[in-house]
Amino acid sequence: DAGVIQSPRHEVTEMGQEVTLRCKPISGHNSLFWYRQTMMRGLELLIYFNNNVPIDDSGMPEDRFSAKMPNASFSTLKIQPSEPRDSAVYFCASSFDQGATDTQYFGPGTRLTVL
Amino acid sequence: LAKTTQPISMDSYEGQEVNITCSHNNIATNDYITWYQQFPSQGPRFIIQGYKTKVTNEVASLFIPADRKSSTLSLPRVSLSDTAVYYCLVGGDNQGGKLIFGQGTELSVKP
Repeated sequence: DAGVIQSPRHEVTEMGQEVTLRCKPISGHNSLFWYRQTMMRGLELLIYFNNNVPIDDSGMPEDRFSAKMPNASFSTLKIQPSEPRDSAVYFCASSFDQGATDTQYFGPGTRLTVL
Repeated sequence: LAKTTQPISMDSYEGQEVNITCSHNNIATNDYITWYQQFPSQGPRFIIQGYKTKVTNEVASLFIPADRKSSTLSLPRVSLSDTAVYYCLVGGDNQGGKLIFGQGTELSVKP
């Protein structure tokens, strides 16, 4: 299995631009998680889906952030408009189910830099 | 969600056993304890999970006392490649799988 796939691996953009991050979870996994990691705030859960339905988006920082999961094999995290404080590494993870005992498998991350 | 407290950093030498203790005084009855490892420029990776007593796998052991208010991750005979950040997480199925990552413990293994 290829594991969780994220694209792009690196993204540099200018303030005000729209950014779209993509994730392909492991086949057969029913839950998908988006995290953000910065030095200041550590690893934060932004949103997670179960069976393509958003379950908890309480970690989404503000309306500029949106996430979708149109099918079981694809999810996007969009930032519009982007700001310098959005610079971070964004991780996508998937698990078989949404239980706390289900191992989450993380992708390699997307390093976002907003100038 | 139960809050976890663990040392910010630890140093060790190759070949030593490393024990990282995590405090979780407010752990709930149905919470599990899970440890993840993160190498630089990579996403976290599952190491081990337990509910009570002792769990062992090919990578580590997890010791959980009877009151479950703390847990200790034990890494036997560490090598340089074990240098990473180790996260202790506590959560139960009633939180829908939500895991809160704390600051983690940065382990540095020296030759």
